[in-house]
Amino acid sequence: GENVEQHPSTLSVQEGDSAVIKCTYSDSASNYFPWYKQELGKRPQLIIDIRSNVGEKKDQRIAVTLNKTAKHFSLHITETQPEDSAVYFCAARWLPGGSYIPTFGRGTSLIVHP
Amino acid sequence: EAGVAQSPRYKIIEKRQSVAFWCNPISGHATLYWYQQILGQGPKLLIQFQNNGVVDDSQLPKDRFSAERLKGVDSTLKIQPAKLEDSAVYLCASSLGSLLTGLNTEAFFGQGTRLTVV
Repeated sequence: GENVEQHPSTLSVQEGDSAVIKCTYSDSASNYFPWYKQELGKRPQLIIDIRSNVGEKKDQRIAVTLNKTAKHFSLHITETQPEDSAVYFCAARWLPGGSYIPTFGRGTSLIVHP
Repeated sequence: EAGVAQSPRYKIIEKRQSVAFWCNPISGHATLYWYQQILGQGPKLLIQFQNNGVVDDSQLPKDRFSAERLKGVDSTLKIQPAKLEDSAVYLCASSLGSLLTGLNTEAFFGQGTRLTVV
């Protein structure tokens, strides 16, 4: 099955700096890579996703890059703000296909210091 | 739009007892997932339904866990008997689209049920 490794486990930055979280996956069949943000005690929420037919996707201060050859993808947050502090999870799965389950990374705790 | 509803929010039980969790997905969402999130880890998929049919339950410990989605709407997840290592947050999620088309696949999560087994 799929295995997703996520690094770092904790990331501490100053407000205004950039933050980068990296994930690697093992199964080359995976073609859908969502990122979720989970604030303390709250539900995970999708913040951005990318499919394997593109190498980069951007949404305001958030961007995701995908390297299919190396089987890794990264989340980039620019101009970080204290409200960006949360745990971020990457995931990988193959779509379409119901029998291929989504696999999550272990999460990165991002702390943005004012 | 109403979100995914789960109950209860918290549950404390003794080991070997039984417990059930309930999930009401967003109206019209065909796909429903149950995840187990152990403290400090990412969510782990237990089972996914497409309407009222099970699509994948390969990671569900079937000797003690069961789930159903009667009529393709609400779902219940049961643990019987519970073990200490079942302590976790159980998240329900739903998505509009069909897993077979790969469209409208964004998963919306409920608040979760925090289970503590003592």
